Amino acid sequence: AQKVTQAQTEISVVEKEDVTLDCVYETRDTTYYLFWYKQPPSGELVFLIRRNSFDEQNEISGRYSWNFQKSTSSFNFTITASQVVDSAVYFCALSEGTSGTYKYIFGTGTRLKVLA
Amino acid sequence: KAGVTQTPRYLIKTRGQQVTLSCSPISGHRSVSWYQQTPGQGLQFLFEYFSETQRNKGNFPGRFSGRQFSNSRSEMNVSTLELGDSALYLCASQLAGGIVETQYFGPGTRLLVL
Repeated sequence: AQKVTQAQTEISVVEKEDVTLDCVYETRDTTYYLFWYKQPPSGELVFLIRRNSFDEQNEISGRYSWNFQKSTSSFNFTITASQVVDSAVYFCALSEGTSGTYKYIFGTGTRLKVLA
Repeated sequence: KAGVTQTPRYLIKTRGQQVTLSCSPISGHRSVSWYQQTPGQGLQFLFEYFSETQRNKGNFPGRFSGRQFSNSRSEMNVSTLELGDSALYLCASQLAGGIVETQYFGPGTRLLVL
């Protein structure tokens, strides 16, 4: 069964701390895509990253970095030197499917609170 | 390039009424998906439209329906509203849809059913 698990419901950190958000996925497909989205209080989901199942290279974008490990079916997200503006709900998502029919499955989200 | 727009942004209805929400995708995008977000159920896929045809459908009752117009704008309709339909309804736009594409989300419509 396809599933995305974000076990951390809420995390609180003090500004400038590093924080890692966990994402574990389940799929039977060999081709799939993983995403991270940020949802600030305004409600709009903001795309952060997309990674395909054949590319396990880690990625760094400024203070953000992602660690993709197929062996553990995980796609974790780390924010270095967190800032108050990072406070939001973060969603991990899985996209899979063939022949024009696909599924886009979201985790339950992790609420990150960065305290000044 | 303008983003995804959704109207109205906020809506209050009473049980039994029906409601229509609108979504205009990014220019050039032909795929529109709808999601319902509630504190209890999280983000749930409703349906996806591509070139005026429903291509994918989630597990929602028939009270939830949608359509897409030739200009790719999409509407979602909920008939006979129930209290549990109170949610944030998000629309997502994609170029052509499919597992490889990123979804770009609108700001959502917050629906409150009293």
